[in-house]
Amino acid sequence: AQSVTQPDIHITVSEGASLELRCNYSYGATPYLFWYVQSPGQGLQLLLKYFSGDTLVQGIKGFEAEFKRSQSSFNLRKPSVHWSDAAEYFCAVRHTGRRALTFGSGTRLQVQP
Amino acid sequence: EPEVTQTPSHQVTQMGQEVILRCVPISNHLYFYWYRQILGQKVEFLVSFYNNEISEKSEIFDDQFSVERPDGSNFTLKIRSTKLEDSAMYFCASSETLAGGGETQYFGPGTRLLVL
Repeated sequence: AQSVTQPDIHITVSEGASLELRCNYSYGATPYLFWYVQSPGQGLQLLLKYFSGDTLVQGIKGFEAEFKRSQSSFNLRKPSVHWSDAAEYFCAVRHTGRRALTFGSGTRLQVQP
Repeated sequence: EPEVTQTPSHQVTQMGQEVILRCVPISNHLYFYWYRQILGQKVEFLVSFYNNEISEKSEIFDDQFSVERPDGSNFTLKIRSTKLEDSAMYFCASSETLAGGGETQYFGPGTRLLVL
């Protein structure tokens, strides 16, 4: 069965610093890959997705992610974090023949002034 | 921008009672989903629905759960006899259909269900 690992439960960064959130997946083939963000009291908002092609994908709010097949990773990055980026971030995968998203356990981001 | 809406935002019920959670998917979407997130745990897939029938479901989605599209706009999740462990945030999502399967699921804000 496919699984998604987000090794960092909680990360704190200073405003203006760079950010990298890790995501690894376990699956035989390359699945569809997603990053969602959840702010308090809000639903899940899609930041970006990877289906095929260029392994570096750009998303909303200045986020990007890089798919590395050799490492089964899809890490999320942002060069300069803003206080409004404080939220919980979820990596998710979907098998190409299925509808269900499998989510990681999430990484809570705290931004210090 | 179109969005998925869910009602109610919060629901408190007694164990053994039936609850119906409601969702209005994005209007041109054809696939509908329910997920849940127990406090402190992962978001988990429950069921997907297409063309008026379940297309995929997880082990969690047992006989206590059912889904329905009662009219052209609503999509509902019914829990027949709630248990304490059903307390969770329930998310509805919808997606269009794209060639190659590359569609995105758009999520609603969730309904927080508390079973006492």
